[in-house]
Amino acid sequence: EAGVAQSPRYKIIEKRQSVAFWCNPISGHATLYWYQQILGQGPKLLIQFQNNGVVDDSQLPKDRFSAERLKGVDSTLKIQPAKLEDSAVYLCASSPQGVNTIYFGEGSWLTVV
Amino acid sequence: EDQVTQSPEALRLQEGESSSLNCSYTVSGLRGLFWYRQDPGKGPEFLFTLYSAGEEKEKERLKATLTKKESFLHITAPKPEDSATYLCAVQAVAGGTSYGKLTFGQGTILTVHP
Repeated sequence: EAGVAQSPRYKIIEKRQSVAFWCNPISGHATLYWYQQILGQGPKLLIQFQNNGVVDDSQLPKDRFSAERLKGVDSTLKIQPAKLEDSAVYLCASSPQGVNTIYFGEGSWLTVV
Repeated sequence: EDQVTQSPEALRLQEGESSSLNCSYTVSGLRGLFWYRQDPGKGPEFLFTLYSAGEEKEKERLKATLTKKESFLHITAPKPEDSATYLCAVQAVAGGTSYGKLTFGQGTILTVHP
């Protein structure tokens, strides 16, 4: 079974530029998550989708971050404009309907200079 | 607010030297406590879910236990390939048909020397 796919794996941008990350969850998984992991810390939830609806976006900095999950399958996370403190790994994860185990992708590494 | 604290921050062991990692938590209502392993440059890999105090789960050299306030990850006779960051997370009871978010600790970096 294919895992959670993310791209790009690595991105370096200058502050105030924009960046977008893409995620394709495990086939059939209804719930999709975006987590932010800063070096030396545990992952922190940014947004959770159930199919194509938002369940929790309470920790998403909405002035600069946006995310969408059109058609309830893949998802895009965008940052505009980026700040230095946005340097982190952005992890996409998914879980099946009715199951609370969350499976993570390899992550997209962002460096803002 | 749900909180998870892991200790120690880093642990260095000799191959074969057993030890334990600690995860202390506060959560409004626990649906599950999760352990993940994370290798450098990789995403977290699921290890265990524990649901109630007294529950234990084992996988190879790892055994996870749960009390009402903390969880332990016991590592028996570790090998160098067990070196990784071990993350603990709690999931609170949520309403409706969706499950709540995972709240993670900062992780314990385990290094096993040959």
